[in-house]
Parts: sequence; C-alpha cells; structure tokens
Amino acid sequence: ETGVTQTPRHLVMGMTNKKSLKCEQHLGHNAMYWYKQSAKKPLELMFVYSLEERVENNSVPSRFSPECPNSSHLFLHLHTLQPEDSALYLCASSFSMNTEAFFGQGTRLTVV
Amino acid sequence: GIQVEQSPPDLILQEGANSTLRCNFSDSVNNLQWFHQNPWGQLINLFYIPSGTKQNGRLSATTVATERYSLLYISSSQTTDSGVYFCAVVGTGNQFYFGTGTSLTVIP
Repeated sequence: ETGVTQTPRHLVMGMTNKKSLKCEQHLGHNAMYWYKQSAKKPLELMFVYSLEERVENNSVPSRFSPECPNSSHLFLHLHTLQPEDSALYLCASSFSMNTEAFFGQGTRLTVV
Repeated sequence: GIQVEQSPPDLILQEGANSTLRCNFSDSVNNLQWFHQNPWGQLINLFYIPSGTKQNGRLSATTVATERYSLLYISSSQTTDSGVYFCAVVGTGNQFYFGTGTSLTVIP
C-alpha cells in the first residue's frame, strides 16, 4: 500500500463510451501525475498538476481530459478512445514536483 | 529529454543468486528512483537515491551522479523478486524519465 489509490482497477470500454479514472492520495502531497504504460514502451508522462494547477501536458490527445478538483484527487476523463489507447494508466503523487514519487496500483484499460 | 538506459533488459536467476542492474542517464539529474513493478502492475518504491548509497534488506543502490549511472544490487534473490525493475530520473524540468526496465525472473 503506497497511499495512492486508483479506481477502477480494470476497465473495458467501447470507443463511443465516456468513462473516468480516479486517483486519490492522502499523503499531503501537492503534485499529482498521470502516466501511460503501453506494452514494451517506457512509461509516458501525460499530465502533471501542482497545487491543483496543470503544469505539464505532454501533447496528449484531447480525448483525454484531466481534472484536479483539489490536491488529494485527480481524475482522467476518457471520451471517444481508440483501441491503441488500451494500456495501464498509472497515477502518482509527490510532495512537490520532482521529489520522491509514489504510484497507485494502476487502471488497466481496454478499448474495444 | 533525458535518455535513460537500463541493462540488462532481461535477467533469469536461480533463487539465492546475486545480481546487479544498471541505469545510465544522459544528463545531470536532481532525482533518481528505483521501482519494482509487480505482476499486477503496481510500481513499488525501492529507493530514492539522487546520489550516494542506500541499503534496505537484501537490496542496495548506489548512484554516482557525476558519472551518470546508478546500480541496484539484489542479493540472495527470491522468487518474489521477479518483476520489472525501473529506473526513473528527473533533471531540471518537471518530468520523470523512465528507462525501459529490466525484467527479472527468479526461478526456484
């Protein structure tokens, strides 16, 4: 248990569905991250939030929409995804940007 | 961005054996972490080690920042050590750069 919780753990969705991934931490951290892990590829940073402000957006398609309502919660809203978006989505948090990061268990997403 | 290379890409060990995993990076870093990804996908923190040496049980790590590499030592390996080991670094920006990992299989 790392203190970072992601739900759901598994998600299967059609290309026309809308779904959301949730990440929650109660470690008192101020920075939160979304990463994507595809098979045989390094983890790719998608978004970084620091003190609820988005500070990094790594050219992620608009069908992925993050939301950070407070420093403890981070969402990733999904809409009109493609099969190539199937991957493990990992949330992480750290006290401040670039300090020690802690990861959640991940959401394994399959787009059909 | 910073290039992170891990070696070897794959490693098979007999239970009880020792091993060394290596992480090379292409630029100065402010943060370096080693993670173990278990079969269910979770990344478990092993070490936060931008420089120096740390030990935790059978695991230890050393980072020589001036020479841009880090080593992870696993002694007396156990089957539960199996999984993928990742090195991740942060330079002057906001982003962690991950290596492609070392896939370790420990056989009984």
